Amino acid sequence: GESVGLHLPTLSVQEGDNSIINCAYSNSASDYFIWYKQESGKGPQFIIDIRSNMDKRQGQRVTVLLNKTVKHLSLQIAATQPGDSAVYFCAEKEARRDYKLSFGAGTTVTVRA
Amino acid sequence: GAVVSQHPSRVICKSGTSVKIECRSLDFQATTMFWYRQFPKKSLMLMATSNEGSKATYEQGVEKDKFLINHASLTLSTLTVTSAHPEDSSFYICSARSGATHTDTQYFGPGTRLTVL
Repeated sequence: GESVGLHLPTLSVQEGDNSIINCAYSNSASDYFIWYKQESGKGPQFIIDIRSNMDKRQGQRVTVLLNKTVKHLSLQIAATQPGDSAVYFCAEKEARRDYKLSFGAGTTVTVRA
Repeated sequence: GAVVSQHPSRVICKSGTSVKIECRSLDFQATTMFWYRQFPKKSLMLMATSNEGSKATYEQGVEKDKFLINHASLTLSTLTVTSAHPEDSSFYICSARSGATHTDTQYFGPGTRLTVL
């Protein structure tokens, strides 16, 4: 079947280092991808998104990279801070699929002081 | 901008009772709202898609008579868990998408923790 998945379920990062969170997808019909951050007991918070006609998009301290050739999505966080500790989900939307998002399993990021 | 609220944030009820959860888009009009369920340390599972003024579309395996969804206005959708049982205990999260063209971004509410005794 087609799914969105993450390479690693957990990631431990030293404060101040850069973080890279990976996501693999297999649905070649997906045209929109989005990263969310979810802190314990809270709803997912939008971080950054990217459409399939782009390879890279930058936000504040975050960069999303999309490699359609190998169906890989990554989120890079610069100068990771303790407040970045959370679960990160990638999600994809298939073109013409009524705006529904399919979520990956999530990566738990822990920032070490 | 793009703020979504949910009420209540947590609810504890007895088995057999019904619980209503509200989802509101505070600063935009939401053409489409979505309801998700999330188990501990798991990903989000889409339950249903709700379009303003029309019936909700439920995902496979989700009982529409169990989880009643109403999207009466462009800023409010409600999820009613009818005759709740302990297995319905979960974290329920709504999201909203604006009606603007080419806007696929969903903004999420803070979630509602339901505990059925």
